[in-house]
Amino acid sequence: DIVMTQSPLSLPVTPGEPAAISCRSGQSLLQSNGYNYLNWYLQRPGQSPQLLIYLGSSRASGVPDRFSGSGSGTDFTLKISRVEAEDVGVYYCMQALQTPITFGPGTKVDIK
Amino acid sequence: QVQLVESGGGVVQPGESLRLSCAASGFAFSSHGMHWVRQAPGKGLQWVAGSWFDGSNENYEDSVKGRFTLSRDNFKYTLHLQMNSLRAEDTATYYCARDIGSYSEGIDYWGQGTLVTVSS
Repeated sequence: DIVMTQSPLSLPVTPGEPAAISCRSGQSLLQSNGYNYLNWYLQRPGQSPQLLIYLGSSRASGVPDRFSGSGSGTDFTLKISRVEAEDVGVYYCMQALQTPITFGPGTKVDIK
Repeated sequence: QVQLVESGGGVVQPGESLRLSCAASGFAFSSHGMHWVRQAPGKGLQWVAGSWFDGSNENYEDSVKGRFTLSRDNFKYTLHLQMNSLRAEDTATYYCARDIGSYSEGIDYWGQGTLVTVSS
């Protein structure tokens, strides 16, 4: 199984300031087609997860452009250019390269 | 719009069975892989099982192999998870989720979840 790790696990943020979350996979998520099979999700309190970024860097429909994903191979980053209050929740990275699909442990983002 | 509505959760005793269902609408169900992902209370996300778009193949997480069975009806736009020999550690909210593509491209839409509690 591909092990996914995230850092930090807790991230207090200040509205208007940038924030970044790191995700690392136990093996490369870069497939021969040139795509990284790494997605990012936000789970707001009491809600289901929602897709933010897919294939490492593609923003999902309706996701604000303050969210961006980068990285390749085994190291990935989710960046929020200017945090807003609605961005609080738990962020998960997930690999879809191999079955079983595996998730990172989650990064809890809250307002300072 | 894409909708996934789970049902069938509840409280059961260890060793008992439950069948979860997911009613899909708003998209071409037969073109997408489908998954079940669970979340134990206060914990992270764990993939449980996944089905290819045409139902030709299913995959399972190791701890549920031999106990859970995934099935889909592409005419009725429904996904099912038959859960047998339930254990306390199966207690979780179970989410039905749509694959971005035919199977292993990741998940884009999630249902609201149905809670399964296994307790004596």
